[in-house]
Amino acid sequence: EPEVTQTPSHQVTQMGQEVILRCVPISNHLYFYWYRQILGQKVEFLVSFYNNEISEKSEIFDDQFSVERPDGSNFTLKIRSTKLEDSAMYFCASSEGWGTPYEQYFGPGTRLTVT
Amino acid sequence: DAKTTQPPSMDCAEGRAANLPCNHSTISGNEYVYWYRQIHSQGPQYIIHGLKNNETNEMASLIITEDRKSSTLILPHATLRDTAVYYCIAGSSNTGKLIFGQGTTLQVKP
Repeated sequence: EPEVTQTPSHQVTQMGQEVILRCVPISNHLYFYWYRQILGQKVEFLVSFYNNEISEKSEIFDDQFSVERPDGSNFTLKIRSTKLEDSAMYFCASSEGWGTPYEQYFGPGTRLTVT
Repeated sequence: DAKTTQPPSMDCAEGRAANLPCNHSTISGNEYVYWYRQIHSQGPQYIIHGLKNNETNEMASLIITEDRKSSTLILPHATLRDTAVYYCIAGSSNTGKLIFGQGTTLQVKP
């Protein structure tokens, strides 16, 4: 069964450093998403991406965040200058279509720890 | 997006049916009801979705009331591996984002 993969599974970085989280969506999916989950809190939407453009973004997704599809398979989330409060699980998801009735398939997540 | 309300926690005996309720009284006509679950800290996993009619797949059944103001997810024979947080989400065709609430923590007990 096709699945979304994410690397690395755990990333430790120092405050102020740049990190890039990587995702390989399901191959025939066209829509891509990033969510995050701070420990003990809800899963929060960050951004959606289609046709090399951001479709929607939340207020969390400020100028320090960016997304890119550098090639035909990878989808990345970059955090330019990490803060302690960026420590969270980051989940990538993909879907075949936009909105309902298309389900989103999530990856296993990258645990980002900012020290 | 419509707000959903779920009980914070439920218990279920292994092998019995788990019935997880969700209230979505403000749901609009084009909003589907989705159920996802999250086992420990893994990525959310899609379970099932529906608009008006009841739906069934290999994982679960979804019963939606006629007025669409509430729904119930049914896991027919719960196993210990079904212990997870279950999220009921109202999603529309106008947006791709899923808005997760706190969900229901289902504990399946032997």
